[in-house]
Amino acid sequence: AQTVTQSQPEMSVQEAETVTLSCTYDTSESDYYLFWYKQPPSRQMILVIRQEAYKQQNATENRFSVNFQKAAKSFSLKISDSQLGDAAMYFCAYRSERGSQGNLIFGKGTKLSVKP
Amino acid sequence: DSGVTQTPKHLITATGQRVTLRCSPRSGDLSVYWYQQSLDQGLQFLIQYYNGEERAKGNILERFSAQQFPDLHSELNLSSLELGDSALYFCASSVDRVNTGELFFGEGSRLTVL
Repeated sequence: AQTVTQSQPEMSVQEAETVTLSCTYDTSESDYYLFWYKQPPSRQMILVIRQEAYKQQNATENRFSVNFQKAAKSFSLKISDSQLGDAAMYFCAYRSERGSQGNLIFGKGTKLSVKP
Repeated sequence: DSGVTQTPKHLITATGQRVTLRCSPRSGDLSVYWYQQSLDQGLQFLIQYYNGEERAKGNILERFSAQQFPDLHSELNLSSLELGDSALYFCASSVDRVNTGELFFGEGSRLTVL
């Protein structure tokens, strides 16, 4: 079974600085998707960024980028120029591309605080 | 706005009672997923429906059941409620003819069991 591990329960960053959140996963599959979701105090789960495993190029969405290391099964999220609105829980998630089960498998989350 | 609608947003009830949570997926999405988020267990997958049929089961208790109706909305029924069932229940949807892309989440239903 696939597992997702986020080893940093909490992180803190100064406004305008850069922070990296870590995620590792375990799978025997070769085709899958990885995601970072953000959950602000409003509770809504918001997609931040996605990565297809077959793509070697790291995904980027404005100030958010990932470092995807397939062989190491690592998928970290870098937030540049951090803003107060980035404060939230961040969840790393895995989704198999094959099979009948298409649910997301989540890590435990990292709580990010942004200091003004 | 993800396009996924969940009702009610908040629900307070007593132990032993039964509640129903409702979810309307995004227009065109065939799959509905239910997740439970509690403080100590994180986000746990409960069950998935695809076009009206159960497709996958996760850590769903026997006291819980779900269904997806012909109009694709889904209901999660929780019965014989216990204090430990207090949690945030999310519904998510996706197109899912094949497993591509992300899941879109509703705002969740906060259940408090007293």
